[in-house]
Order: sequence, then C-alpha cells, then structure tokens
Amino acid sequence: GNSVTQMEGPVTLSEEAFLTINCTYTATGYPSLFWYVQYPGEGLQLLLKATKADDKGSNKGFEATYRKETTSFHLEKGSVQVSDSAVYFCALREGGYQKVTFGTGTKLQVIP
Amino acid sequence: DAMVIQNPRYQVTQFGKPVTLSCSQTLNHNVMYWYQQKSSQAPKLLFHYYDKDFNNEADTPDNFQSRRPNTSFCFLDIRSPGLGDAAMYLCATSKPGQGLYEQYFGPGTRLTVT
Repeated sequence: GNSVTQMEGPVTLSEEAFLTINCTYTATGYPSLFWYVQYPGEGLQLLLKATKADDKGSNKGFEATYRKETTSFHLEKGSVQVSDSAVYFCALREGGYQKVTFGTGTKLQVIP
Repeated sequence: DAMVIQNPRYQVTQFGKPVTLSCSQTLNHNVMYWYQQKSSQAPKLLFHYYDKDFNNEADTPDNFQSRRPNTSFCFLDIRSPGLGDAAMYLCATSKPGQGLYEQYFGPGTRLTVT
C-alpha cells in the first residue's frame, strides 16, 4: 500500500535559518503530492502541491520538488520566521479522490 | 468567504454518553470527510460521503456513525465514547474534478472524554 515517511521532529531553528523537512513516499503509480500545515489549535491548510515528476510546488516562500527517481518531496524554505512554527504534513493522493495518505507530521519551532 | 465550519471547537463528554459533532460547508463540494487525529499522529480517515453515498473505512469502529442530511452539513455521531476516542476530529471537503481533489479542512473539534 501507499505510505509517506517524514523526518521526526521536533525541528528547532533560529529565525532566518534555512529549513528542510524530508519526505519520502511509497506508491504503486504516479501520485500527486502535497504539503499541509497545521497551526496550533487549527485544522490542516494546503501549503503546496505537485502533480508530476520535476514539478515544483511553492507558496509563502516554501518550495518542494517532486523527485520521482528518489521518491521524495522535501519541503524547503530559505529563511524561516517565528510565524512558521507549526506542524507540517506530507501527503500523497493516488487513484480516487478519497485516498489521501498522510505522513505523521513534523513539528517546527522557530525561535527569535 | 467559502469555508468549512466545525462546531463546537471544543467538546467535553462523559464516558459512554453519546455525542454529536457537526460540520458545515459553503463550498458546495460533493465529498465530505471525517478524520480522527490523535496527538502527534497523522489524521486517520474514518469515513466519507460522496453526495449521499456513505463510504466507511474498514477499520472504523462501529461506535462511529455519520449522517449527511444535505450537501452543506455532515455529522459525526459517537454512540458510546470511550477514553480512547479523545482526539481532534477534522472535517474536510473536496470536489472531484477540481484542483487535484485537494481537501479543504475545517478547524477541528477537540473532544475530551471524562
């Protein structure tokens, strides 16, 4: 079956540091890939997405590139802010609309 | 703004006392989902409706039921909550054929069982 593996957190960074959160996946075909963000006490928000190999999703300074050869979709940001503190979930969708598989989430804490 | 709304945001119930969580949407999406999210875990899909068609996940306990009286509303009923059912419950919607079926989430209801 499909699965998503994320690096374990928490990740603690100083403001303006470079961020990488690793995500790898296992799927039988060619999934669409997503990053969701969950701020404290809130639901999940779609951060970015990519549909095919070499696509780059980007939003709010975050980027992730769909790498088919390494089955990865790592999240990066060049300069994090305190307001980026949240839990980040990598996810994939393959097949029908209902089949979204989430990773376990990575908590990011940015300190001033 | 079109959105997914969940009420209440926080719900406390007693062990064994039935509880209902509600979700409404103004997006006019066909599909509505219910997820259970326990602390530090990924959201776990319980079931979903595609229009009026109900689809239960194989490992969803019988204790969990759902109703969708119309396009806008969907309810999660927990018939006899146990301590292990304490979690965040997330409602989401999607519209097949639009935006990679991306799911739009509500803010969640945090359920406490005493």
